[in-house]
Amino acid sequence: GNSVTQMEGPVTLSEEAFLTINCTYTATGYPSLFWYVQYPGEGLQLLLKATKADDKGSNKGFEATYRKETTSFHLEKGSVQVSDSAVYFCALIGSGNTGKLIFGQGTTLQVKP
Amino acid sequence: GAVVSQHPSWVICKSGTSVKIECRSLDFQATTMFWYRQFPKQSLMLMATSNEGSKATYEQGVEKDKFLINHASLTLSTLTVTSAHPEDSSFYICSAAPHKQETEAFFGQGTRLTVV
Repeated sequence: GNSVTQMEGPVTLSEEAFLTINCTYTATGYPSLFWYVQYPGEGLQLLLKATKADDKGSNKGFEATYRKETTSFHLEKGSVQVSDSAVYFCALIGSGNTGKLIFGQGTTLQVKP
Repeated sequence: GAVVSQHPSWVICKSGTSVKIECRSLDFQATTMFWYRQFPKQSLMLMATSNEGSKATYEQGVEKDKFLINHASLTLSTLTVTSAHPEDSSFYICSAAPHKQETEAFFGQGTRLTVV
Protein backbone atom coordinates (compact mmCIF):
# COMPACT_ATOMS: atom_id res chain seq x y z
CA GLY A 1 0.00 0.00 0.00
CA ASN A 2 0.89 3.66 -0.07
CA SER A 3 3.22 4.98 2.60
CA VAL A 4 5.35 7.98 3.52
CA THR A 5 8.63 7.98 5.43
CA GLN A 6 10.16 11.08 6.99
CA MET A 7 13.46 11.65 8.69
CA GLU A 8 13.25 11.35 12.42
CA GLY A 9 13.42 14.40 14.59
CA PRO A 10 13.71 16.51 16.44
CA VAL A 11 15.72 18.74 14.16
CA THR A 12 17.35 21.58 16.06
CA LEU A 13 18.78 24.53 14.16
CA SER A 14 19.99 28.01 14.86
CA GLU A 15 18.15 30.93 13.32
CA GLU A 16 19.10 31.58 9.68
CA ALA A 17 20.39 28.04 9.19
CA PHE A 18 19.51 25.96 6.14
CA LEU A 19 16.77 23.38 6.61
CA THR A 20 16.23 20.04 4.91
CA ILE A 21 13.64 17.52 6.01
CA ASN A 22 13.76 14.34 3.98
CA CYS A 23 10.62 12.61 2.77
CA THR A 24 10.29 9.54 0.59
CA TYR A 25 7.16 7.75 -0.49
CA THR A 26 5.86 4.47 -1.81
CA ALA A 27 2.85 4.59 -4.09
CA THR A 28 1.52 3.17 -7.32
CA GLY A 29 0.78 5.51 -10.16
CA TYR A 30 1.15 9.24 -9.71
CA PRO A 31 0.28 10.47 -6.24
CA SER A 32 -0.06 14.09 -5.21
CA LEU A 33 2.43 15.16 -2.55
CA PHE A 34 2.02 17.60 0.32
CA TRP A 35 3.78 19.21 3.24
CA TYR A 36 1.64 20.21 6.21
CA VAL A 37 2.72 22.16 9.29
CA GLN A 38 1.26 21.87 12.78
CA TYR A 39 1.95 24.50 15.42
CA PRO A 40 1.56 23.51 19.08
CA GLY A 41 -2.05 22.85 20.03
CA GLU A 42 -3.36 23.59 16.56
CA GLY A 43 -4.66 21.71 13.55
CA LEU A 44 -2.86 21.21 10.27
CA GLN A 45 -2.08 23.89 7.73
CA LEU A 46 -1.14 23.13 4.17
CA LEU A 47 2.36 24.45 3.54
CA LEU A 48 2.86 23.44 -0.08
CA LYS A 49 1.98 20.76 -2.60
CA ALA A 50 2.96 19.26 -5.94
CA THR A 51 0.72 17.19 -8.13
CA LYS A 52 3.03 15.83 -10.81
CA ALA A 53 6.63 14.84 -11.35
CA ASP A 54 9.19 17.67 -11.38
CA ASP A 55 6.69 20.16 -9.98
CA LYS A 56 8.09 22.44 -7.29
CA GLY A 57 5.80 23.57 -4.52
CA SER A 58 6.77 26.70 -2.61
CA ASN A 59 5.36 28.89 0.13
CA LYS A 60 6.76 31.21 2.84
CA GLY A 61 10.32 30.46 1.76
CA PHE A 62 9.83 26.69 1.92
CA GLU A 63 10.06 24.58 -1.19
CA ALA A 64 9.96 20.95 -2.24
CA THR A 65 10.35 19.25 -5.61
CA TYR A 66 8.43 16.14 -6.65
CA ARG A 67 11.12 13.66 -7.71
CA LYS A 68 9.59 10.56 -9.18
CA GLU A 69 12.91 8.92 -10.01
CA THR A 70 13.90 8.96 -6.34
CA THR A 71 10.31 8.90 -4.97
CA SER A 72 11.18 11.89 -2.81
CA PHE A 73 9.69 15.23 -1.79
CA HIS A 74 12.28 16.81 0.50
CA LEU A 75 11.38 20.06 2.25
CA GLU A 76 13.93 22.88 2.21
CA LYS A 77 14.25 26.43 3.46
CA GLY A 78 17.27 28.61 3.02
CA SER A 79 17.06 30.53 6.29
CA VAL A 80 14.84 29.38 9.14
CA GLN A 81 13.30 31.59 11.78
CA VAL A 82 12.26 30.90 15.36
CA SER A 83 8.65 31.16 14.19
CA ASP A 84 9.18 28.13 11.93
CA SER A 85 9.37 25.89 14.99
CA ALA A 86 6.61 23.34 14.52
CA VAL A 87 5.93 19.78 13.44
CA TYR A 88 6.12 19.14 9.71
CA PHE A 89 4.24 16.31 8.03
CA CYS A 90 4.87 14.94 4.57
CA ALA A 91 1.80 13.33 3.02
CA LEU A 92 0.41 11.92 -0.19
CA ILE A 93 -2.91 11.33 -1.86
CA GLY A 94 -2.80 8.25 -4.04
CA SER A 95 -4.12 8.19 -7.58
CA GLY A 96 -7.90 8.04 -7.49
CA ASN A 97 -8.12 8.41 -3.70
CA THR A 98 -10.05 11.64 -3.39
CA GLY A 99 -8.72 13.63 -0.46
CA LYS A 100 -7.48 10.58 1.47
CA LEU A 101 -4.14 11.63 2.91
CA ILE A 102 -1.46 9.22 4.06
CA PHE A 103 0.93 10.92 6.49
CA GLY A 104 4.51 10.43 7.42
CA GLN A 105 5.37 10.27 11.09
CA GLY A 106 6.13 13.99 11.36
CA THR A 107 9.36 15.82 12.06
CA THR A 108 9.68 18.31 14.89
CA LEU A 109 11.71 21.40 14.05
CA GLN A 110 13.13 23.54 16.83
CA VAL A 111 14.78 26.80 15.84
CA LYS A 112 16.84 28.57 18.47
CA PRO A 113 17.62 32.29 18.44
CA GLY B 1 -12.37 29.99 0.64
CA ALA B 2 -12.18 26.28 1.52
CA VAL B 3 -12.78 26.59 5.24
CA VAL B 4 -13.51 23.59 7.43
CA SER B 5 -14.89 24.22 10.89
CA GLN B 6 -14.67 21.63 13.63
CA HIS B 7 -16.61 21.87 16.87
CA PRO B 8 -15.96 21.73 19.73
CA SER B 9 -12.26 22.58 19.83
CA TRP B 10 -11.95 20.83 23.16
CA VAL B 11 -14.17 18.74 25.39
CA ILE B 12 -13.85 17.00 28.72
CA CYS B 13 -16.29 14.20 29.47
CA LYS B 14 -16.83 11.54 32.08
CA SER B 15 -15.98 7.94 31.39
CA GLY B 16 -18.98 6.08 29.96
CA THR B 17 -20.59 9.06 28.30
CA SER B 18 -20.76 9.83 24.58
CA VAL B 19 -19.30 12.82 22.79
CA LYS B 20 -20.23 14.20 19.38
CA ILE B 21 -17.78 16.14 17.23
CA GLU B 22 -18.96 18.10 14.20
CA CYS B 23 -17.07 18.84 11.02
CA ARG B 24 -18.49 21.40 8.59
CA SER B 25 -17.30 22.62 5.24
CA LEU B 26 -18.34 26.27 5.27
CA ASP B 27 -17.94 27.36 1.68
CA PHE B 28 -17.82 24.22 -0.41
CA GLN B 29 -19.55 20.91 -0.78
CA ALA B 30 -17.68 17.85 0.40
CA THR B 31 -18.81 14.49 -0.86
CA THR B 32 -16.09 12.92 1.24
CA MET B 33 -14.78 13.78 4.68
CA PHE B 34 -12.08 12.07 6.68
CA TRP B 35 -11.56 11.55 10.38
CA TYR B 36 -8.08 11.28 11.85
CA ARG B 37 -6.78 10.62 15.31
CA GLN B 38 -3.51 11.94 16.66
CA PHE B 39 -1.82 10.80 19.85
CA PRO B 40 0.68 13.14 21.53
CA LYS B 41 3.83 13.60 19.48
CA GLN B 42 2.64 11.13 16.87
CA SER B 43 1.37 11.28 13.35
CA LEU B 44 -2.20 11.40 12.15
CA MET B 45 -3.84 8.05 11.72
CA LEU B 46 -6.82 7.80 9.41
CA MET B 47 -9.81 6.37 11.26
CA ALA B 48 -12.50 6.42 8.61
CA THR B 49 -13.72 7.89 5.37
CA SER B 50 -17.13 9.50 5.60
CA ASN B 51 -19.25 9.44 2.46
CA GLU B 52 -22.32 11.59 2.10
CA GLY B 53 -25.47 9.51 2.09
CA SER B 54 -23.77 6.17 2.69
CA LYS B 55 -21.99 4.23 5.37
CA ALA B 56 -18.52 5.25 6.44
CA THR B 57 -15.51 3.16 5.52
CA TYR B 58 -13.42 2.33 8.57
CA GLU B 59 -9.73 1.60 8.61
CA GLN B 60 -8.53 -1.68 9.97
CA GLY B 61 -8.55 -1.82 13.74
CA VAL B 62 -11.05 1.02 14.22
CA GLU B 63 -14.20 -0.02 16.05
CA LYS B 64 -17.16 1.20 14.01
CA ASP B 65 -19.58 0.67 16.90
CA LYS B 66 -17.47 2.87 19.13
CA PHE B 67 -16.76 5.62 16.64
CA LEU B 68 -20.04 6.38 14.93
CA ILE B 69 -19.83 8.50 11.81
CA ASN B 70 -22.73 10.22 10.12
CA HIS B 71 -22.50 12.26 6.94
CA ALA B 72 -26.03 13.47 6.44
CA SER B 73 -25.33 16.37 4.10
CA LEU B 74 -22.66 17.64 1.73
CA THR B 75 -21.38 20.06 4.37
CA LEU B 76 -21.59 18.14 7.64
CA SER B 77 -20.06 15.00 9.08
CA THR B 78 -20.21 13.99 12.72
CA LEU B 79 -18.08 11.65 14.79
CA THR B 80 -19.60 10.28 17.97
CA VAL B 81 -17.33 8.59 20.47
CA THR B 82 -19.65 6.25 22.34
CA SER B 83 -19.08 5.09 25.91
CA ALA B 84 -15.84 6.99 26.06
CA HIS B 85 -12.97 5.76 28.18
CA PRO B 86 -9.69 7.44 29.17
CA GLU B 87 -7.82 5.61 26.40
CA ASP B 88 -10.03 7.44 23.88
CA SER B 89 -8.49 10.72 24.98
CA SER B 90 -6.81 12.12 21.91
CA PHE B 91 -6.79 14.86 19.31
CA TYR B 92 -9.36 14.23 16.60
CA ILE B 93 -9.08 16.06 13.27
CA CYS B 94 -11.39 16.06 10.30
CA SER B 95 -10.69 16.99 6.73
CA ALA B 96 -12.92 17.55 3.73
CA ALA B 97 -12.28 17.06 0.04
CA PRO B 98 -14.12 19.33 -2.37
CA HIS B 99 -16.45 17.51 -4.70
CA LYS B 100 -14.59 15.99 -7.65
CA GLN B 101 -11.27 17.47 -6.60
CA GLU B 102 -8.93 14.72 -5.59
CA THR B 103 -5.78 16.72 -5.06
CA GLU B 104 -6.80 18.77 -2.08
CA ALA B 105 -8.10 18.27 1.41
CA PHE B 106 -8.82 20.97 3.98
CA PHE B 107 -8.54 20.44 7.70
CA GLY B 108 -10.58 21.48 10.66
CA GLN B 109 -8.79 22.91 13.67
CA GLY B 110 -9.10 19.67 15.62
CA THR B 111 -10.87 18.60 18.81
CA ARG B 112 -8.99 17.77 21.99
CA LEU B 113 -10.98 15.07 23.81
CA THR B 114 -10.16 14.29 27.43
CA VAL B 115 -12.05 11.50 29.14
CA VAL B 116 -11.85 11.52 32.93
